[in-house]
Amino acid sequence: AQSVTQLDSQVPVFEEAPVELRCNYSSSVSVYLFWYVQYPNQGLQLLLKYLSGSTLVKGINGFEAEFNKSQTSFHLRKPSVHISDTAEYFCAVSYGGATNKLIFGTGTLLAVQP
Amino acid sequence: AAGVIQSPRHLIKEKRETATLKCYPIPRHDTVYWYQQGPGQDPQFLISFYEKMQSDKGSIPDRFSAQQFSDYHSELNMSSLELGDSALYFCASSLRTGQETQYFGPGTRLLVL
Repeated sequence: AQSVTQLDSQVPVFEEAPVELRCNYSSSVSVYLFWYVQYPNQGLQLLLKYLSGSTLVKGINGFEAEFNKSQTSFHLRKPSVHISDTAEYFCAVSYGGATNKLIFGTGTLLAVQP
Repeated sequence: AAGVIQSPRHLIKEKRETATLKCYPIPRHDTVYWYQQGPGQDPQFLISFYEKMQSDKGSIPDRFSAQQFSDYHSELNMSSLELGDSALYFCASSLRTGQETQYFGPGTRLLVL
């Protein structure tokens, strides 16, 4: 079955430190990858996406992610986090075809501490 | 820029009642998706529509139904509500052309008592 795995349910990090949130997906010929952020009591906001082309994708708020086909991964990174980055981060995948439905990972809570 | 609009934002119902959630997609978007996010869980795909036709169906209970209208807005109808239906319901919209990004609305928080 198609699936997305976010290995860390919670990542505590100090302000201004770098962070990496891990995401792995079940392999497929074609795959489209997304990272969404959800702030408390809010909706899902798109951070970045990989559809094709360059494997390094830059998004909003200084985040970036690298698509690695051989490792079926799409890890999210930020070189220096802020308190305001505290939120739930969801990795999602779409396999194209007749449907574009998103399959989400279980989410990673990024907790930035002063 | 215009975003996806969902109404109501909050809804409280009793068990066995019915509820209708509405979604207004971004202008010119022809595809609508519904997702359910239970407390502390990831969003789960329920159903999607393209040009007023159901395009895919996920883990949507038989008690739920949905449709997309000629103006592309969509409604999710939920009957015989159960306590377990309490969740955040998201609507997302996109263009069907190729692999387009889904843009999410703010969600409707449903509480079933």
